[in-house]
Amino acid sequence: DAKTTQPPSMDCAEGRAANLPCNHSTISGNEYVYWYRQIHSQGPQYIIHGLKNNETNEMASLIITEDRKSSTLILPHATLRDTAVYYCIVRVDGQNFVFGPGTRLSVLP
Amino acid sequence: GAVVSQHPSRVICKSGTSVKIECRSLDFQATTMFWYRQFPKQSLMLMATSNEGSKATYEQGVEKDKFLINHASLTLSTLTVTSAHPEDSSFYICSAREAGRPLHFGNGTRLTVT
Repeated sequence: DAKTTQPPSMDCAEGRAANLPCNHSTISGNEYVYWYRQIHSQGPQYIIHGLKNNETNEMASLIITEDRKSSTLILPHATLRDTAVYYCIVRVDGQNFVFGPGTRLSVLP
Repeated sequence: GAVVSQHPSRVICKSGTSVKIECRSLDFQATTMFWYRQFPKQSLMLMATSNEGSKATYEQGVEKDKFLINHASLTLSTLTVTSAHPEDSSFYICSAREAGRPLHFGNGTRLTVT
C-alpha cells in the first residue's frame, strides 16, 4: 500500500505557482520523499526527491516539514505542459516504488 | 534524453498469441529492473522485479507462467505476455535502477488484445 495521501485533483492557472501537497505521517527516518509525474500515455518522469532538507532543481522545489510528516511540491510557474498526474512516494533506498493514485493537476489557460 | 528505452510503444495482437516487450537501459548497467502494469484511470501496479542472472520476483496475484520475465543481460529485460487475452490489454511500463540515482522509467507499451 502507498504510504502517502494526496488530493485527487487540483487546478492551477497558467503562469502561477502550483503547490501540490502530500501527507506521509508514518514516514520513517530513513525514507526519502520522491516526486514523479506522468503525462498521459507516457512513463513516469522523475521530478525531485529529498530526505529532510528542502530541495530545488530546474523543474521544481520540494518543501518538507520539520517533522517530515508532509511535503509540498512547488512548480513555480506552471505551464500547460505541466498538466499531469503527480505522484508522491516515500521509500527507503533500495525498496520498490509503490504508486498511489496521485494528484491530477490541470493547468488552465 | 531517455535513459530507459521500451519497445514496442504499442502492439495489437490476437487472443491466444504471445507478445514480447523489451526494456533496455541505454547508458548504464541495471542489475534490477521493474515491470508495472497500468489500467485506464488507475495508478501503476508493480508486477515483478527482474534481477539479472536470476529468477524474477513476482508480486502477489501475478501469474509467473503467464508473464515471463527474462533479464539476460545488465541492459536488457523482457516481459512476454503468453496466451494473451483481452483482459491483458493494458499499459505496461518498465523501470531500471541505476546506482545512486532515482529510478528511471520507460515510456510504456500499450498492449491491445483483440
